[in-house]
Amino acid sequence: QQQVKQSPQSLIVQKGGISIINCAYENTAFDYFPWYQQFPGKGPALLIAIRPDVSEKKEGRFTISFNKSAKQFSLHIMDSQPGDSATYFCAANAGNNRKLIWGLGTSLAVNP
Amino acid sequence: DTGVSQNPRHKITKRGQNVTFRCDPISEHNRLYWYRQTLGQGPEFLTYFQNEAQLEKSRLLSDRFSAERPKGSFSTLEIQRTEQGDSAMYLCASSSSDVSSYNEQFFGPGTRLTVL
Repeated sequence: QQQVKQSPQSLIVQKGGISIINCAYENTAFDYFPWYQQFPGKGPALLIAIRPDVSEKKEGRFTISFNKSAKQFSLHIMDSQPGDSATYFCAANAGNNRKLIWGLGTSLAVNP
Repeated sequence: DTGVSQNPRHKITKRGQNVTFRCDPISEHNRLYWYRQTLGQGPEFLTYFQNEAQLEKSRLLSDRFSAERPKGSFSTLEIQRTEQGDSAMYLCASSSSDVSSYNEQFFGPGTRLTVL
């Protein structure tokens, strides 16, 4: 059973547009929600993360929106650029070991 | 470069051979994680160390897999009698147990294993 459900699987956006990726979770013990960006052949790179005590976090063109009651969180990429073309993963963790539970990823293509 | 490093970056081996990968975490990080990622999937947790203690192992980590972190710094992941199903990207991540860091995990570039 996928503990973190991510959608869409793939996304095509025009340059300058807004990319939106959604994730949902069931485990209410999760208390940390990072987003990672991964380019082909590279390791995931931490992009932005949020804790459930805030509803939104913004860093540059990247914003996380968090809805605790709905157990959903999303990544918004404003003014999307071709260089943003990558696979994006949401994740969550909880517990003493802090292992990350990952979504299946969204392949984003930003057309020039 | 003070990031997480992994060696080798690529490994091609024949079925039945043993392989060993190395991970050097960010120097001030006391937590180290191994994940495995197959094409088109998210990383899957394998095991976790805090300092030199291995605190959790996934069911994915069969008895052919062993990981060590002898001095609480670098770690090795060994796969014995490799099988074609072991072909994957093996990722290492490190983090600090400092509460203020909230366990942000930073990943290395991975080791791509191909078992022929």
